Amino acid sequence: DGGITQSPKYLFRKEGQNVTLSCEQNLNHDAMYWYRQDPGQGLRLIYYSQIVNDFQKGDIAEGYSVSREKKESFPLTVTSAQKNPTAFYLCASSKPPTGGDYTFGSGTRLTVV
Amino acid sequence: AQSVTQPDIHITVSEGASLELRCNYSYGATPYLFWYVQSPGQGLQLLLKYFSGDTLVQGIKGFEAEFKRSQSSFNLRKPSVHWSDAAEYFCAVESGTYKYIFGTGTRLKVLA
Repeated sequence: DGGITQSPKYLFRKEGQNVTLSCEQNLNHDAMYWYRQDPGQGLRLIYYSQIVNDFQKGDIAEGYSVSREKKESFPLTVTSAQKNPTAFYLCASSKPPTGGDYTFGSGTRLTVV
Repeated sequence: AQSVTQPDIHITVSEGASLELRCNYSYGATPYLFWYVQSPGQGLQLLLKYFSGDTLVQGIKGFEAEFKRSQSSFNLRKPSVHWSDAAEYFCAVESGTYKYIFGTGTRLKVLA
């Protein structure tokens, strides 16, 4: 079955470390997204990509980086510049660029230790 | 600026009772509107969506929503709630190509 796979499900980061969250989809979707979810704040857009080798900053891109070298993959790196990285991270994809509903992965919970 | 407001942070209903979750949006053009549901520690699942046409939209799991342009609302309803409906519900509007704006969510608790 097609879907989005996020890994790992749980991730622990030490202060000053960079960590990379994986997102892979086999839906043949063109667009992919990364959202951050904090309690009481809903979902906030970090980065999104419409096509391979292209991506745009969302509302809270500082301290994060992404790449889109393949259509299926959109990894997110949480850098040491992100001062408060503890959160639930969700990856999503969509095919029609306008009016298309999202398919979400099951998320990665990142905790700073 | 475009925005989505879900005024109820928490709602508690008894099993078998009816449910209405409120959503108000601010968007200049005809919006694309969505409701998603999230179980704890999981991703979001699409319940229903409105693009155009009939303002009463049917979704999965017995949910429906009504688009009211005059009130800028897209409220989610279910006639009889089941214990398995306990989750967090998010309203969203497409704010432009590729981008959604999500509400802050309403957490539903169902009493047996």
